[in-house]
Amino acid sequence: EAAVTQSPRSKVAVTGGKVTLSCHQTNNHDYMYWYRQDTGHGLRLIHYSYVADSTEKGDIPDGYKASRPSQENFSLILELASLSQTAVYFCASSDLWGGNQDTQYFGPGTRLLVL
Amino acid sequence: AQSVTQPDARVTVSEGASLQLRCKYSYSGTPYLFWYVQYPRQGLQLLLKYYSGDPVVQGVNGFEAEFIKSNSSFHLRKASVHWSDSAVYFCAVSYNNNAPRFGAGTKLSVKP
Repeated sequence: EAAVTQSPRSKVAVTGGKVTLSCHQTNNHDYMYWYRQDTGHGLRLIHYSYVADSTEKGDIPDGYKASRPSQENFSLILELASLSQTAVYFCASSDLWGGNQDTQYFGPGTRLLVL
Repeated sequence: AQSVTQPDARVTVSEGASLQLRCKYSYSGTPYLFWYVQYPRQGLQLLLKYYSGDPVVQGVNGFEAEFIKSNSSFHLRKASVHWSDSAVYFCAVSYNNNAPRFGAGTKLSVKP
């Protein structure tokens, strides 16, 4: 069974502070993704990666950095958290590129509240 | 701009009733199409996907979806819902080798 875990599951951060969200997959997948979900909106792609030590920008990368130190781990970093970054963040992995019909496997999400 | 629309934010049906959740997309070609489900406190899970062939595709747990190109739609259906089907359902569309774009989701509540 494919497994993607995220930590923390929820976090309260202060405006201007640094936040790191972590994702770990045991699927042996090459592709990993970070999405954010806002109430009433679909998931939007922030960053993705297809190999360790390399990351790519998604549709909404501003204010976020990503890090892929190994095939299994993919982090999302908010250097200066802002109120507008309050959202639920999902990590996902896939064996092949998700744009080629490959199934994405999602983690349970991290609820981030920035005050 | 390409988009995915799920017009119903919430749907409530009685157990045993039939179900249709709507999804429309704006793209002139034939995209890859997905339906995912999110149960409470869990990540999204794939229900079914489509790219070509029979426009009616079968998924897990009795779900199916029909691709209607002329209508740019990919509605999800189930003949008889169970209380355990209560969840949030997401339609997603991928085209031109881009990562999938997701609709806002439809929250399904099944009344006993």
